[in-house]
Amino acid sequence: EPEVTQTPSHQVTQMGQEVILRCVPISNHLYFYWYRQILGQKVEFLVSFYNNEISEKSEIFDDQFSVERPDGSNFTLKIRSTKLEDSAMYFCASTRLVPNEQFFGPGTRLTVL
Amino acid sequence: AQSVTQPDIHITVSEGASLELRCNYSYGATPYLFWYVQSPGQGLQLLLKYFSGDTLVQGIKGFEAEFKRSQSSFNLRKPSVHWSDAAEYFCAVGVDTGRRALTFGSGTRLQVQP
Repeated sequence: EPEVTQTPSHQVTQMGQEVILRCVPISNHLYFYWYRQILGQKVEFLVSFYNNEISEKSEIFDDQFSVERPDGSNFTLKIRSTKLEDSAMYFCASTRLVPNEQFFGPGTRLTVL
Repeated sequence: AQSVTQPDIHITVSEGASLELRCNYSYGATPYLFWYVQSPGQGLQLLLKYFSGDTLVQGIKGFEAEFKRSQSSFNLRKPSVHWSDAAEYFCAVGVDTGRRALTFGSGTRLQVQP
């Protein structure tokens, strides 16, 4: 069964460093999302991406964040200068149609020291 | 904007007992409703979804949920809980306008006693 994959599973970085989180959505999906979950809190929407551009973004997704689909398979989230409060689990999700269920990856745990 | 409330932060049930997890949503029209489960250190797995039609929906692992428009609720149920059901359960709402992102509730952590 096709699934969303994410790498790395755990990333540790120093405050101020840039990180790139990678996702491979399900191959025939068209809509892509990033969510984050700070430890013990709810899952929060960051950004949605369709047709090679951002569809929507939340208030969390400020200028420090960017997304890219550099090729036909990868979908990346970049944080330019990480802050302590960026420590969270980051989930990638994809779906073929909207509205529909979103398929989530296993997440990348980002720890900012 | 839509919102989701899961009033129970933590629930403990005995193995074999029945389970009901509550979810209330706020949205002006009929939303698209989902229940996801998250085991420790894992991603989110879809249990079931409601888009339209029959208000009682069946999902995986023996779960079901009932959409009640009058109560703005979408409660998750299981007649007999297994130890492997211990996890965190998230209710989520999606809409067909705007960003089409999902809005999640704060989750209910289920503990199963032997």
